[in-house]
This record gives sequence, C-alpha cells and structure tokens, in this order.
Amino acid sequence: KAGVTQTPRYLIKTRGQQVTLSCSPISGHRSVSWYQQTPGQGLQFLFEYFSETQRNKGNFPGRFSGRQFSNSRSEMNVSTLELGDSALYLCASSARGGFGTDTQYFGPGTRLTVL
Amino acid sequence: AQRVTQPEKLLSVFKGAPVELKCNYSYSGSPELFWYVQYSRQRLQLLLRHISRESIKGFTADLNKGETSFHLKKPFAQEEDSAMYYCALSGGATNKLIFGTGTLLAVQP
Repeated sequence: KAGVTQTPRYLIKTRGQQVTLSCSPISGHRSVSWYQQTPGQGLQFLFEYFSETQRNKGNFPGRFSGRQFSNSRSEMNVSTLELGDSALYLCASSARGGFGTDTQYFGPGTRLTVL
Repeated sequence: AQRVTQPEKLLSVFKGAPVELKCNYSYSGSPELFWYVQYSRQRLQLLLRHISRESIKGFTADLNKGETSFHLKKPFAQEEDSAMYYCALSGGATNKLIFGTGTLLAVQP
C-alpha cells in the first residue's frame, strides 16, 4: 500500500496570509491526525478527524482548522499566518479511530515557512 | 497534567554498548505508551508499544507504573540505531499522541 502523502512538501508564505495543507491517508484508513513540529515545542497534536468528524482537538488557536472528506482525505487550514506558525506539519493516518489507540502512520510532512 | 519527559537530548554510545533511553510520564489514568523513531531523512515510525510487549530490532521497553517510566533498552547498540527517538503516550479511546521532546541516539563506531 502507498504510504501517507502530504502536499505540498514545502511552502513559503508571508504574515497575514492563509494556507491550506493536504493529507491523503493510507487506503482504507479512516482516521487522520495532524501534528505541528517545531524546535522549541516539539511535536504537538493539532486535531484528529474520523469519518469526517473532528474527534479531538489540541490546544491551538481558532486560526487552525481542518476538515475531512468522504474519501478520508484531510486538509488543514491556517489563517492569518504568524511567524510562529513556521513549522513542519505532520499528518498521520490509522485504520480506526476512537476504539483504542491504533497504530498511526506518519507522512513526510509539509515544511511551512512564514516570512 | 499529561506530560512525557525525555531528560536526555543526546545520548552518545559506542557500538556494542548497552543503550537506555529514558522516558517518564505523567497521566491520570491508564495510558498507552509508545516509542517512535525517526531515522535520518525518513518518516516518523512506530518502534514499539507497551501493550504488544514485542522486541523490535532488539529494543524492548517495560512499563513501570510505580515509577511512571517507559525506558527503551537495547543490550548491544548498532550504528544503524542512530536516530531520533520519541516517547509518546495516548489515553483512552483516542488517537491523540502526546510526545516527549525526543532523544538523539548517536552510535559511534
């Protein structure tokens, strides 16, 4: 099976802009989670989607949002970008969601740079 | 508060030496504990989880609920073990992972 894919791999934006990142999970996987990775804060959970519903949300401002489509593909959006949003954004998929912690498979990440 | 602590940012050992990567956690309840590994230029991947009690690539980890620890061990380090190692926990019926800050393991020849 093909692994988790994320597009684009690299993005450069300026402060105040918005950005949309995309994640395609492994075929058959229904749960998609997003993480932000920075040198200062490490890996932090953003949110999880399962069957098009947000199941869990991390401690991030409302500028961070996401959604999941019927084919399990997911997007996350960050509005009004700030310099501190520069990070590697990782997507992870798993077969199930909400029924005991499932093995999560990570994508390569999208490197976002905010200037 | 839910927290995972990895006290060492860098652990350098020689090939053939034993390895122990420390992980302590704080969680009110019964968490699931994991070790994830990221080799150079590769994706983050699951190394092992405590409920499976497997030995992967010679690594083992025992959950000590009394000391709230989940240290990763290997009796004889190999150069190919050099990587970033993250300890993580999850609680209840959720896929949310709380990660430690990671330990870079460098195995010298």
